[in-house]
Amino acid sequence: GENVEQHPSTLSVQEGDSAVIKCTYSDSASNYFPWYKQELGKRPQLIIDIRSNVGEKKDQRIAVTLNKTAKHFSLHITETQPEDSAVYFCAASYSGSARQLTFGSGTQLTVLP
Amino acid sequence: EAQVTQNPRYLITVTGKKLTVTCSQNMNHEYMSWYRQDPGLGLRQIYYSMNVEVTDKGDVPEGYKVSRKEKRNFPLILESPSPNQTSLYFCASSLAPDGLSRQYFGPGTRLTVT
Repeated sequence: GENVEQHPSTLSVQEGDSAVIKCTYSDSASNYFPWYKQELGKRPQLIIDIRSNVGEKKDQRIAVTLNKTAKHFSLHITETQPEDSAVYFCAASYSGSARQLTFGSGTQLTVLP
Repeated sequence: EAQVTQNPRYLITVTGKKLTVTCSQNMNHEYMSWYRQDPGLGLRQIYYSMNVEVTDKGDVPEGYKVSRKEKRNFPLILESPSPNQTSLYFCASSLAPDGLSRQYFGPGTRLTVT
């Protein structure tokens, strides 16, 4: 089955700096890669996703890049703000997969004021 | 309002006492799933359901049961809870069981088994 590794497990940045979280996946059939943000005590919420026919996707301060050859994808947050502090999870799945998402272990991002 | 609901939100119980955590969605989603979240391990899938009366095991199904008698409901049953099932549980749903649909999560149920 699919295995998703996520790094780093914790990340601290100064407000206004950029943050990058990286994930690698094992199954070359995976073609859908969402990122979820989970604030303390809350449910995971989708923030951005990318499909394998696209190399990069951007939504305001958030972007995701995908390298299918190397089987890794990354979340980029620019101009970080204190409200970006949360746990971020990457995930992978492939079309037709009944099991759907396999999640990474999460990254605790702290944005220091 | 489109949503996934879970009940109860918090539960403290004792070893061996059967319990059920309910999950309901009002979005007519075909796919529903249960995850448990433990520190450092991310979200691990327990069971999933592709549609009514169609369920299957995820990564960590031992000690759990599910049923899908109606499209909107997907209860999680712990027949004989043990302390290692202390965890945060999330129900999720998505429109289609195609592996490409956004998943919507419920608010979570924090379970403690003593």
